[in-house]
Amino acid sequence: QQQVKQSPQSLIVQKGGISIINCAYENTAFDYFPWYQQFPGKGPALLIAIRPDVSEKKEGRFTISFNKSAKQFSLHIMDSQPGDSATYFCAASFSSGTYKYIFGTGTRLKVLA
Amino acid sequence: DAGITQSPRYKITETGRQVTLMCHQTWSHSYMFWYRQDLGHGLRLIYYSAAADITDKGEVPDGYVVSRSKTENFPLTLESATRSQTSVYFCASSESVPGELQYFGPGTRLTVT
Repeated sequence: QQQVKQSPQSLIVQKGGISIINCAYENTAFDYFPWYQQFPGKGPALLIAIRPDVSEKKEGRFTISFNKSAKQFSLHIMDSQPGDSATYFCAASFSSGTYKYIFGTGTRLKVLA
Repeated sequence: DAGITQSPRYKITETGRQVTLMCHQTWSHSYMFWYRQDLGHGLRLIYYSAAADITDKGEVPDGYVVSRSKTENFPLTLESATRSQTSVYFCASSESVPGELQYFGPGTRLTVT
């Protein structure tokens, strides 16, 4: 019940295309869903996050879509650029009582120039 | 420099040796975390701390010990290193409750031979 399943494991997109990464969770008590971006040799950095009271959040070219009934959320990167090439992790956590984050296994994105 | 730092960045040790990984943050964040990152597993929480002298186990705490005598430091000790502890270790800190896990350190790559 604590798992967060992330797909695909790797993704290759042409420059200007849309990158889509999906995550699914089981525990309906999760109420905070962040996405992290990690470049090689660096620590992950918070990219965008959503709470289940909204179905979509957009920040620049990055959008989180959230489907509470399906227990799924996804990251869309519009107009993907070579500089977006990185590993992306979704995560889920509870906003009270515990500070334990459950991370997905990561998606390695490569954007071709 | 402000931020979160980890040392050493790279470490090779032998099975059975004690190893301490250091983490230091300059923001006075209350919450600090240790994760390990392994291929196919994403990031897994080892220990976390809500404040000085308050620590708690995460998902994979066996074989690790933490302490937090000062808010800014959160060392992680492998009491008797094993090959299965070969990994990249990330320290992170968070300011607010609920823990919006925003800041990761650069990581320590540990190899146990």
